[in-house]
Amino acid sequence: DAGITQSPRHKVTETGTPVTLRCHQTENHRYMYWYRQDPGHGLRLIHYSYGVKDTDKGEVSDGYSVSRSKTEDFLLTLESATSSQTSVYFCAISEGQGTYEQYFGPGTRLTVT
Amino acid sequence: AQKVTQAQTEISVVEKEDVTLDCVYETRDTTYYLFWYKQPPSGELVFLIRRNSFDEQNEISGRYSWNFQKSTSSFNFTITASQVVDSAVYFCALSEGPGNQFYFGTGTSLTVIP
Repeated sequence: DAGITQSPRHKVTETGTPVTLRCHQTENHRYMYWYRQDPGHGLRLIHYSYGVKDTDKGEVSDGYSVSRSKTEDFLLTLESATSSQTSVYFCAISEGQGTYEQYFGPGTRLTVT
Repeated sequence: AQKVTQAQTEISVVEKEDVTLDCVYETRDTTYYLFWYKQPPSGELVFLIRRNSFDEQNEISGRYSWNFQKSTSSFNFTITASQVVDSAVYFCALSEGPGNQFYFGTGTSLTVIP
């Protein structure tokens, strides 16, 4: 199994509070991704990173920011959480963008009340 | 425009039956990659297979087989002699080659009844 961990695994927070989710990998893969999974939508890409300090937006990036200061860590921040951001968040890694399979972390279930 | 369509939202079969999960994709690129993932009730996403657009050979892995047909833009997944452990949500995904993101379908929930 790919060495990917996510923390926290579960979080309940209130509307308007900032939240940071962490993804940590031990595979030294260049590419890292954040997805959200919602019923009826499958997985949708929020942001991705193609190297340290190199990030780009995905399909549903509004309300989210990311940072990658080290190869192994990719942080997702909700600056001011809203109820529409209640979701399951998955981190993924890959050796290459597009041509290689992505390996996923265990997910973080976030509830915004 | 939706790039990956999994029209079957939910399927139920009785154990030992064969079941096919459909995946239809849309792309204008000649080079692309197709993937299947499994999400069991425990929630993790498990990679099953990757296929590139220039290899139309069908693939078999144990009870799993995949049928890739460019003529119909389909990449279907068949489970033979289904088992309860096959109960999961299955996602098909498309990437339009190097430098491109994945596009996931909305998933098919398979329930295998003992």
